[in-house]
Amino acid sequence: GESVGLHLPTLSVQEGDNSIINCAYSNSASDYFIWYKQESGKGPQFIIDIRSNMDKRQGQRVTVLLNKTVKHLSLQIAATQPGDSAVYFCAEKEENSGYSTLTFGKGTMLLVSP
Amino acid sequence: GAGVSQSPRYKVAKRGQDVALRCDPISGHVSLFWYQQALGQGPEFLTYFQNEAQLDKSGLPSDRFFAERPEGSVSTLKIQRTQQEDSAVYLCASSSGTGVFGTEAFFGQGTRLTVV
Repeated sequence: GESVGLHLPTLSVQEGDNSIINCAYSNSASDYFIWYKQESGKGPQFIIDIRSNMDKRQGQRVTVLLNKTVKHLSLQIAATQPGDSAVYFCAEKEENSGYSTLTFGKGTMLLVSP
Repeated sequence: GAGVSQSPRYKVAKRGQDVALRCDPISGHVSLFWYQQALGQGPEFLTYFQNEAQLDKSGLPSDRFFAERPEGSVSTLKIQRTQQEDSAVYLCASSSGTGVFGTEAFFGQGTRLTVV
């Protein structure tokens, strides 16, 4: 596959470590956020979402934290595995008239060593 | 099909050539989105269809870019007189609702366009 992550911020961890990926968003009115995982040569894959009326949401091995005061999101991955190696994007919902779209952040590459 | 299918997976075009990129969304999905992803960047919105209606084309970078979804299913993104700056991965997403969010939306694998 081809790399989608050249020149991206990179987080390198050992297998079994916990990983934290951070994201700053721009629109204080945004009320919905998603984290996506993108493996080399593939399209973005939904991981977890959170609405602005929450500050924390947990999934399987993943937790998303939302700090609206400083417009910051984080994705925590517990017991990181080599299969978690990918580029991770946060995205915020943009409301339009009758539909919504997503604005993506720049992304962070996660490299997990066995 | 089981997911969003895009073709071709890879396309090399000479500068000035016209290209057409195809997206087969999940059957029955109302919404279809095109995004452009430059190397090392996040996807950027290009255009949105709700059934056959193109409701938003605000992200199309120039009038060389044109998209259609004539029967509300398959969509084609056409780029005329390709330039080197058009080199990117073009992603298609479809959704059963009117937004690209949550577990109702799915992305295809993308078409990597290289203009030489």
